[in-house]
Amino acid sequence: DQQVKQNSPSLSVQEGRISILNCDYTNSMFDYFLWYKKYPAEGPTFLISISSIKDKNEDGRFTVFLNKSAKHLSLHIVPSQPGDSAVYFCAAHLNRDDKIIFGKGTRLHILP
Amino acid sequence: GAGVSQSPSNKVTEKGKDVELRCDPISGHTALYWYRQSLGQGLEFLIYFQGNSAPDKSGLPSDRFSAERTGGSVSTLTIQRTQQEDSAVYLCASSPQVWGNQPQHFGDGTRLSIL
Repeated sequence: DQQVKQNSPSLSVQEGRISILNCDYTNSMFDYFLWYKKYPAEGPTFLISISSIKDKNEDGRFTVFLNKSAKHLSLHIVPSQPGDSAVYFCAAHLNRDDKIIFGKGTRLHILP
Repeated sequence: GAGVSQSPSNKVTEKGKDVELRCDPISGHTALYWYRQSLGQGLEFLIYFQGNSAPDKSGLPSDRFSAERTGGSVSTLTIQRTQQEDSAVYLCASSPQVWGNQPQHFGDGTRLSIL
């Protein structure tokens, strides 16, 4: 049973527009969330995180929004750039077991 | 370099052979993690080390999988009698402390192909 779900396997966005990547979770015990970015043949790199006590965290072009009542978070990238084309993983930290659980990822294509 | 280093980057082997994957974490990082990513899947947690000890081995898929870490640094993941379903990218990550509110630093992975 997947506790962290990224329901869109892929997403295509025009360069300069906003990219919105979504993530849903089922466990209310998650206490913080992370987004990682992965290029082919490379390991994931940390992008941005958010604590469950917040509803927004911003870092440059990247903003993560958390809606606890809906158990939903999203990553906004604006404006989207060609170098943003990658697979994005949503991850959640489970305080009780002290584990991090990853989603299956969403492949983002930035179109010229 | 200063990042997490994994070797080999690619490994092709025949079914039934044993393989050993190596991970050099970032110097000074107490925690070390192994994940695998099968085709079309997310990152599957395998095992983590706090120093040289592995408190949680629950993610290892079978008793053919084992891992060790020596000197609080290098770790090896061993798969015995490999099967085709073991084909995946095996990723290693490290962090200053175990889990907690901090990101993990990943290596580029070992792509394992079982023929």
